[in-house]
Amino acid sequence: AQSVTQLDSQVPVFEEAPVELRCNYSSSVSVYLFWYVQYPNQGLQLLLKYLSGSTLVKGINGFEAEFNKSQTSFHLRKPSVHISDTAEYFCAVSEIAAGNKLTFGGGTRVLVKP
Amino acid sequence: EAGVTQFPSHSVIEKGQTVTLRCDPISGHDNLYWYRRVMGKEIKFLLHFVKESKQDESGMPNNRFLAERTGGTYSTLKVQPAELEDSGVYFCASSKRGGPSGNTIYFGEGSWLTVV
Repeated sequence: AQSVTQLDSQVPVFEEAPVELRCNYSSSVSVYLFWYVQYPNQGLQLLLKYLSGSTLVKGINGFEAEFNKSQTSFHLRKPSVHISDTAEYFCAVSEIAAGNKLTFGGGTRVLVKP
Repeated sequence: EAGVTQFPSHSVIEKGQTVTLRCDPISGHDNLYWYRRVMGKEIKFLLHFVKESKQDESGMPNNRFLAERTGGTYSTLKVQPAELEDSGVYFCASSKRGGPSGNTIYFGEGSWLTVV
């Protein structure tokens, strides 16, 4: 079984400042890794995913994440946030062998202040 | 192309009543999933259909929950009878056949259920 821990439940940040959202996972098998975002009154949208290859993954809206196997982490970063990045962000994993079943972290609410 | 659509978007029912949530996946997506998030908790997997067959229903909390996908198109999730702890957001998602490698899972906006 896997588990995902998002270390920060809320992250306030000023506009144009950088932001990092931390995600650590635990699994006895190899996993795929994902970041989803939920904007207010919307569904979950995929930001980026790591399947294999380069450990630095670039996603939509200027976000990127780095997979660190030794630290079992998949932290999400953006060098300069906008007001529109205010949302809740979810880290998730799925077992490579098990296909589609996602295990989510508890979510991190990002509030971008002007 | 239409995304994953869910109905109703919000529902308030009394304890003991029945609620049926509907999900229309993206056209052509064989995989359909249900997840839910109860207040203050993580989003949890409920079950996975491949076409009309239940591939994995290990996340269904108890026998008050019944999911169907007749004909392999839309799906319904019925809660009967509803309990207070069933309150939360129920997400439906879909993907093309073949697993997550290269196949993104698309989520709907969720159905908010409040049991009073």
